[in-house]
Amino acid sequence: DSGVTQTPKHLITATGQRVTLRCSPRSGDLSVYWYQQSLDQGLQFLIQYYNGEERAKGNILERFSAQQFPDLHSELNLSSLELGDSALYFCASSVGLAARYNEQFFGPGTRLTVL
Amino acid sequence: KNQVEQSPQSLIILEGKNCTLQCNYTVSPFSNLRWYKQDTGRGPVSLTIMTFSENTKSNGRYTATLDADTKQSSLHITASQLSDSASYICVVSAKKTSYDKVIFGPGTSLSVIP
Repeated sequence: DSGVTQTPKHLITATGQRVTLRCSPRSGDLSVYWYQQSLDQGLQFLIQYYNGEERAKGNILERFSAQQFPDLHSELNLSSLELGDSALYFCASSVGLAARYNEQFFGPGTRLTVL
Repeated sequence: KNQVEQSPQSLIILEGKNCTLQCNYTVSPFSNLRWYKQDTGRGPVSLTIMTFSENTKSNGRYTATLDADTKQSSLHITASQLSDSASYICVVSAKKTSYDKVIFGPGTSLSVIP
């Protein structure tokens, strides 16, 4: 158990809908990262937040957005869902901002299925 | 362009045998390199982390090496067990001004069979 929690574990929805994925980082971790992993694909970095502020952006679509709240939990919002958005979405957390020695601890993931 | 390549793409070995996974990168400026193990449907778990000055790091039966000159790393698994069946991901970080850019390799899928 990494100490990172994600809800829900599974989500099934229809095209065009909007969903929200939630992540609670490990106690004391200020950075939260979101990743997408499609079937048989590698992990794709989406976005990083540090202490409530966006700090790095990866291959995140405009239909997707995220935020980190004052209690440090984070939400990833996915809208106008398409079939291709079906994937595992992982949240990770780390203590600090820079990844020099900051190990990222991954949550169990949310499996999103868009029908 | 910052890239991380891994080989082989997949590997099947007999239980008890050793194996070596390769990672080549073109990430610059280099910050650190990590190896992660990802069981199917689970989040990745860190195995080792190495910085520029480290060329070997062990974690139980896992030993990672780093050659910063040739920009290559390897992960050696000794006396493999069925539970080693997983995807092994090489992750390289590039230094930026206020954060590190993290580049994930595509992973090597390892199957250990009895």
